[in-house]
Amino acid sequence: EAGVAQSPRYKIIEKRQSVAFWCNPISGHATLYWYQQILGQGPKLLIQFQNNGVVDDSQLPKDRFSAERLKGVDSTLKIQPAKLEDSAVYLCASQTDGGEQYFGPGTRLTVT
Amino acid sequence: AQSVTQLGSHVSVSEGALVLLRCNYSSSVPPYLFWYVQYPNQGLQLLLKYTTGATLVKGINGFEAEFKKSETSFHLTKPSAHMSDAAEYFCAVSEGNGGYNKLIFGAGTRLAVHP
Repeated sequence: EAGVAQSPRYKIIEKRQSVAFWCNPISGHATLYWYQQILGQGPKLLIQFQNNGVVDDSQLPKDRFSAERLKGVDSTLKIQPAKLEDSAVYLCASQTDGGEQYFGPGTRLTVT
Repeated sequence: AQSVTQLGSHVSVSEGALVLLRCNYSSSVPPYLFWYVQYPNQGLQLLLKYTTGATLVKGINGFEAEFKKSETSFHLTKPSAHMSDAAEYFCAVSEGNGGYNKLIFGAGTRLAVHP
């Protein structure tokens, strides 16, 4: 079974630029999460989708972050404009109903 | 709200020695608890989980953890460390009214294994 795919793996941008990350979950997984992992910290939830609907985006900085999951499969996370403090690893995870989460390899973002 | 505390951001052991990584949680409902491992430049891999039933759970790579409700703890152990165990370990609790849901992670413990 293929795992959660994410791209790109690494991205370097300057502050105030925009960036987008892509996630392809495991086939059949209805729930999808985006987490932000700042260096030296544990991952923190940004947004949770159930199929193509948002379940929880309470911790998403909506003035600069946006996410969508069209057709309930792939998802994109966008930052515009980026700030220095957005430097982190962005992890995507997918989950079946009543099952545990499986994580992708992450996208490491560096904002200079 | 649930929370997780991992005692010790860095732990160093000798190869062959006991590994003990500590995790305490707070939860107002029966928790689902997890340990994940993260190798450099990789995502998180599930080591083991506690949902219901037996409080001693066994995971991959020889790791196990014991759920102790009275101590609100879920410490991770391995009898004999191997060099390949060097990684970062995260304890997590599933938030919400029980069951599988979004995860609240601890800050992580980096395990070093020396010859």
